[in-house]
Amino acid sequence: ILNVEQSPQSLHVQEGDSTNFTCSFPSSNFYALHWYRWETAKSPEALFVMTLNGDEKKKGRISATLNTKEGYSYLYIKGSQPEDSATYLCAPTDSWGKLQFGAGTQVVVTP
Amino acid sequence: DAGVTQSPTHLIKTRGQQVTLRCSPKSGHDTVSWYQQALGQGPQFIFQYYEEEERQRGNFPDRFSGHQFPNYSSELNVNALLLGDSALYLCASSLPRLAGGPSSYNEQFFGPGTRLTVL
Repeated sequence: ILNVEQSPQSLHVQEGDSTNFTCSFPSSNFYALHWYRWETAKSPEALFVMTLNGDEKKKGRISATLNTKEGYSYLYIKGSQPEDSATYLCAPTDSWGKLQFGAGTQVVVTP
Repeated sequence: DAGVTQSPTHLIKTRGQQVTLRCSPKSGHDTVSWYQQALGQGPQFIFQYYEEEERQRGNFPDRFSGHQFPNYSSELNVNALLLGDSALYLCASSLPRLAGGPSSYNEQFFGPGTRLTVL
């Protein structure tokens, strides 16, 4: 059973500032790590699927890195905007694609 | 192209009743997974359906059952409802394993969820 931890639980960011947060997961039997953004009253939206140690992915102002040997991934938001306000979830998967979600990091960006 | 759809949006039931939730996957997707999200937690895996069979199951009691139809749509059934079953139920669909590589690599697309309240 995978134990996924996300920290911090929540954070408040001023518009224009950059921020980052962490996803920790057991490093054994790693297959892939998924990041999702979940805005209130919407469906979770896939951001990245990361598979290789050292992977770096970028989507606009959001990027992520992956370290499978030590079992962590960082998600970065550069120049935060109010529309970045959401809960960010990470989820490693098993070989069949079963997502094991962390509790998420709630990001609030204030103008 | 419609994404993943779920019905109903909201549902209120009483303890002991039974409920059926429905999910239509994204076009071209044949794998459907169900997740339960309780307040303050991340979504928890209930089960996954592929080729009309339950392929994998999470740590949920037998009161939770499902079905997948030939058109890949799916139902989640919960019997003998408990207060603790109150949650948001999410459905996710993904591409066939061969088309996108290993299942673990395939992006999963989520529906908006069904909010179940048990009184």
